[in-house]
Amino acid sequence: SAVISQKPSRDICQRGTSLTIQCQVDSQVTMMFWYRQQPGQSLTLIATANQGSEATYESGFVIDKFPISRPNLTFSTLTVSNMSPEDSSIYLCSVGGNRGKGTQYFGPGTRLTVL
Amino acid sequence: GENVEQHPSTLSVQEGDSAVIKCTYSDSASNYFPWYKQELGKRPQLIIDIRSNVGEKKDQRIAVTLNKTAKHFSLHITETQPEDSAVYFCAAGPNFGNEKLTFGTGTRLTIIP
Repeated sequence: SAVISQKPSRDICQRGTSLTIQCQVDSQVTMMFWYRQQPGQSLTLIATANQGSEATYESGFVIDKFPISRPNLTFSTLTVSNMSPEDSSIYLCSVGGNRGKGTQYFGPGTRLTVL
Repeated sequence: GENVEQHPSTLSVQEGDSAVIKCTYSDSASNYFPWYKQELGKRPQLIIDIRSNVGEKKDQRIAVTLNKTAKHFSLHITETQPEDSAVYFCAAGPNFGNEKLTFGTGTRLTIIP
């Protein structure tokens, strides 16, 4: 499976500020996904990031709050904008794998705390 | 869209016994069903998956069964060990391209030594 890294691994931020999370993969992948995992909860898809096109957002998530960049086939960023304590969560990127269609592998996650 | 329900939310079993976690899905177009294990503070790890052309798949102590007619699939862990303690998530998605997965709510499995 692909080696996936995320930066930062954790951060503590003040409300009203923004944080950009980076996701780097060691091989080219078509699709990258961004998830949010609130404490003790399941994984909720924020958006799908395609290289060369706008990200596709899920219901309840908007581009102004979670802008995404996908400049090439190995890298993506997710920005959490104008943060509030409700944004405190783990943010994970995932990429498609080579086990077959549909397989996804996750990055280590970014633990965000908003004060 | 797809909706995945997962039961139970918590499960405790004696070491050496078997554990079963069940999921149901709503979208008949879903054809890919992975299971992830997430240990505390770590990323979800893919442990086994099954596609709609297969009814059962086994990997050592772990097996997954799929009933497409009833739209449900299950994870079976035999001879449980303390290191099996974790949160397990089922998911469902289409079996083409790299399309999005819909996750269940998770099951916290505790193995009692």
